[in-house]
Amino acid sequence: GDSVTQMEGPVTLSEEAFLTINCTYTATGYPSLFWYVQYPGEGLQLLLKATKADDKGSNKGFEATYRKETTSFHLEKGSVQVSDSAVYFCASMNTGFQKLVFGTGTRLLVSP
Amino acid sequence: NAGVTQTPKFRVLKTGQSMTLLCAQDMNHEYMYWYRQDPGMGLRLIHYSVGEGTTAKGEVPDGYNVSRLKKQNFLLGLESAAPSQTSVYFCASRTGENTEAFFGQGTRLTVV
Repeated sequence: GDSVTQMEGPVTLSEEAFLTINCTYTATGYPSLFWYVQYPGEGLQLLLKATKADDKGSNKGFEATYRKETTSFHLEKGSVQVSDSAVYFCASMNTGFQKLVFGTGTRLLVSP
Repeated sequence: NAGVTQTPKFRVLKTGQSMTLLCAQDMNHEYMYWYRQDPGMGLRLIHYSVGEGTTAKGEVPDGYNVSRLKKQNFLLGLESAAPSQTSVYFCASRTGENTEAFFGQGTRLTVV
């Protein structure tokens, strides 16, 4: 079945450091891919998305590129801020069945 | 515009008791989802619905039932609660192709 694998956390960085959070997927067909963010005590919010191979999603300085050849959708940011501290979830949606599955989440901690 | 509303927000059950979690959305969304979130496990899909009157099993459906009698509501039932069902439950809804999912604030359920 469809699944998403994320790097384990927590990821601990200093402010202004470069961020990469790895995400790979397995799916039948060509899923749509998403990154969601969860702040403490809240539900998930969409961060960015890509719907086909080679698409780049971007938002608030975060970027991720849909790589069909490596089945990956890694999240990057050039300079993190303390306010980026949160849990980040990679997700895949089977467009045929509309089934949306998530990875295990990666906690990011940014210190001043 | 309330978005996705989950009730209740907190609940403590005794083993063997039953309860229903309600998810209501006011955005006329077709697709609705129930997830559970556990430490180290991320979000796991319990059941989902692609339209009024339809339901489908997700990754971890055992011990849960769902109903979608009205388009705006998606109910998650526990017939005989077990301690393994202690978790935070999230509902989400979305509409159309490649669209983002909107999440509720979650229900924290403890089964003792």
